[in-house]
Amino acid sequence: DIQMAQSPSTLSASVGDRVTITCRASQYISHWLAWYQKKPGKAPKLLISKASSLESGVPSRFSASGSGTDFTLTISSLQPDDFASYYCQEYNSCRTFGQGTKVEIK
Amino acid sequence: EVQLEQSGAEVKKPGAAVKISCNVSGYTFSDYYMHWVQVAPGRGLHWVGLIDPGDGEARYAEKFQGRVTVSADTSTDTAYMELRSLRPEDTAVYYCATSADSGDYTFNYWGQGTLVTVSS
Repeated sequence: DIQMAQSPSTLSASVGDRVTITCRASQYISHWLAWYQKKPGKAPKLLISKASSLESGVPSRFSASGSGTDFTLTISSLQPDDFASYYCQEYNSCRTFGQGTKVEIK
Repeated sequence: EVQLEQSGAEVKKPGAAVKISCNVSGYTFSDYYMHWVQVAPGRGLHWVGLIDPGDGEARYAEKFQGRVTVSADTSTDTAYMELRSLRPEDTAVYYCATSADSGDYTFNYWGQGTLVTVSS
């Protein structure tokens, strides 16, 4: 199975901060990478598909880039609603998720 | 509107099995994979497996291989996940998820989740 290494595991930030989360695949996955937001008690929400395509309705402060094995998710100006956990997922083969990044209030 | 409706919470003893369901509406069930995802407390998201309702082909994550069976009934537009030989560490919320008609293979639509508690 493909392994997904996501970092950091926890990120402390303030409203208005720019935050970046990275994800590295153990093998080449082209652009078959998604990013999800997970809040307690709610189903995960798809934010980004095909490594950099913003899903409809997702605020433009979210952006993502990368291809091959290295990917990033950036929130340009953190808002109160963005404090949550974020997961990358490869969907080139087994749909493996990264370990997650919890974005918490500093 | 795409909707995925899951069965209710379950409490099971170690060694038992659990079977949860996911009934869909708003798209052609047989045309798109249905996935199952485990969300365990403090342990992130784990892909469990998938079913192709069109032909019944299933694939599983190594972590669950041998203990899980996913299936689908196209006559009722319902997917199932059965997990056997339950352990306390299987305590989690299990979600069904699908791309439906999004045009991609991502998990665009999710059920509301089913809490499975494994405790003696």
